[in-house]
Amino acid sequence: AQSVSQHNHHVILSEAASLELGCNYSYGGTVNLFWYVQYPGQHLQLLLKYFSGDPLVKGIKGFEAEFIKSKFSFNLRKPSVQWSDTAEYFCAVTPNSGNTPLVFGKGTRLSVIA
Amino acid sequence: GAVVSQHPSRVICKSGTSVKIECRSLDFQATTMFWYRQFPKKSLMLMATSNEGSKATYEQGVEKDKFLINHASLTLSTLTVTSAHPEDSSFYICSARAPPAKNTEAFFGQGTRLTVV
Repeated sequence: AQSVSQHNHHVILSEAASLELGCNYSYGGTVNLFWYVQYPGQHLQLLLKYFSGDPLVKGIKGFEAEFIKSKFSFNLRKPSVQWSDTAEYFCAVTPNSGNTPLVFGKGTRLSVIA
Repeated sequence: GAVVSQHPSRVICKSGTSVKIECRSLDFQATTMFWYRQFPKKSLMLMATSNEGSKATYEQGVEKDKFLINHASLTLSTLTVTSAHPEDSSFYICSARAPPAKNTEAFFGQGTRLTVV
């Protein structure tokens, strides 16, 4: 079974600081990888996704993530965070084999302070 | 993009009663939908996979007699929490992947906040 580890439980940054959230997964086969964001009181929204090709993927709101297959990692980055990025961030994985559910990490809460 | 709609968004019920949550795919047909449960400040835990026209597949530890899932059409799956108890209070979220599912993202409903009193 797949599993996802997000190492940072709560990250606090000042505005304009750079962000990197770690995500590692365990699965031996080909995977689809995702980062979702959940703003307070709202539902999950897709930030970015990786299916194949260029391991550096760019998403919405200036976020990007890099898939490093040898490290089973898919870390999320943003060069300069804003107060509005305060939210919960979830990394997810699913096998690239059909209509399978996403398996989520425990999430990382990001608090951006002025 | 594809939309998944969930209803109701909030429900409060008395202990011992049953509550039905609906999940609809609005602009695509979903042969499979997924039900998650999210505890406060925790991740989403997959409860079951709902299959149109057949029985749902439940994850280990999820009581299928308590969490009844029906997927009667290609656009609707329902989760019924039967004989609800306070420990069933949680945030329930449904999800579906638009066809062809492989290499597509998952779309999520708005979630249902269930409070059992």
